[in-house]
Amino acid sequence: LAKTTQPISMDSYEGQEVNITCSHNNIATNDYITWYQQFPSQGPRFIIQGYKTKVTNEVASLFIPADRKSSTLSLPRVSLSDTAVYYCLVGDRGSTLGRLYFGRGTQLTVWP
Amino acid sequence: DSGVTQTPKHLITATGQRVTLRCSPRSGDLSVYWYQQSLDQGLQFLIQYYNGEERAKGNILERFSAQQFPDLHSELNLSSLELGDSALYFCASSAASGSGTDTQYFGPGTRLTVL
Repeated sequence: LAKTTQPISMDSYEGQEVNITCSHNNIATNDYITWYQQFPSQGPRFIIQGYKTKVTNEVASLFIPADRKSSTLSLPRVSLSDTAVYYCLVGDRGSTLGRLYFGRGTQLTVWP
Repeated sequence: DSGVTQTPKHLITATGQRVTLRCSPRSGDLSVYWYQQSLDQGLQFLIQYYNGEERAKGNILERFSAQQFPDLHSELNLSSLELGDSALYFCASSAASGSGTDTQYFGPGTRLTVL
């Protein structure tokens, strides 16, 4: 079971780029890295998933170094509405989601 | 809107009682997951069903049980309720059998308050 370590909280200002790093030292060869976002009293929402190097979609980028022991979620030009908890998970196609560990996530607060 | 529906939105009950939470997955999704989120515990996986069969079990208490019906909706039954069971209960669904790479779509949750 690959657990992850993230900062408990981060602060930023509107318009800035935010990078949240997740450590997953025990990541296995077949594991993918997935990030979710959760607003208060709402269910988590999928943001992005990747295996190596860089993945980009319309809301975020995910950077994964060659050793894959960490990953960085990058949110460009954040706004107040990006204030949320961000979760990093690792898992592979063969494992069940029941083995994934959501952890406590990173509380991102964006200030005006 | 994720396409996952949960009822009821809020539930207030007393200790010792039994409640049933209901979840309808996204159209076409075969897997349903239940999570509990309390202030001091974070998001805790409870149980997963895939096409009617239990597939994975997490930190689910013996007082709790769940099932998935032929139409793929699921119910989570909580009995002998205690104050500590007060939490947000989320249901999620995914298209496939629930591998570590499946995207989960979460419902809006049911807030349970035990008095």
